[in-house]
Amino acid sequence: DIQMTQSPSSLSASVGDRVTITCRAGQNISSYLNWYQQKPGKAPKVLIYGASSLQSGVPSRFRGSGSGTDFTLTISSLQPEDFATYYCQQSYRTLMYTFGQGTKLEIK
Amino acid sequence: EVQLVESGGGLVKPGGSLRLSCAASGFTFSTYTMNWVRQAPGKGLQWVSSITSSGSYIYYADSVKGRFTISRDNAKNSLYLQMNSLRAEDTAVYYCARTSVTTSTNWFDPWGQGTLVTVSS
Repeated sequence: DIQMTQSPSSLSASVGDRVTITCRAGQNISSYLNWYQQKPGKAPKVLIYGASSLQSGVPSRFRGSGSGTDFTLTISSLQPEDFATYYCQQSYRTLMYTFGQGTKLEIK
Repeated sequence: EVQLVESGGGLVKPGGSLRLSCAASGFTFSTYTMNWVRQAPGKGLQWVSSITSSGSYIYYADSVKGRFTISRDNAKNSLYLQMNSLRAEDTAVYYCARTSVTTSTNWFDPWGQGTLVTVSS
């Protein structure tokens, strides 16, 4: 299995802050990295696919970058609706996917 | 509208069985790889199983291999997960999700709303 490690596990920030979440893969996964947002009691929804492609309808304040083993999700100016848990996922090993452990973004 | 709706969750005793269903609509189900992902209470996402569009290729997480069986009925636009020999650690919300693809990558979208499976005596 390809291990995915996110950091930090939790993060406190204020509305308007710029935040960065990182995800490290246990091996080179090229750009096969996706980011999901999950709010309490809801299903996850994709924000970024292919490391840097913004899903249709997702605000442009979300940006993904990286390749190989190191990836980042940046939210340029936090909005109240962005407080949620974020997961990275590798899709390099198709049909044997793995997720990061999640990063909970809380209001400071 | 593209939609996935899970059903079949509930309370089951350890060692018991349960069959989950996922009804798809709004897209050509028979052309997509489909997946099951679960989330234990207060925990993160765990991929469970995937099945290709024709059912030719099937993969499982090691934690469920030999106990769970994924299948699909393209004529009924439905995905299934047969869960046998259930354990307390299988307690989770189970989501079905479609694999979306481009020529260069793939991701899960959309997801269903989830169905809760509780394994307890």
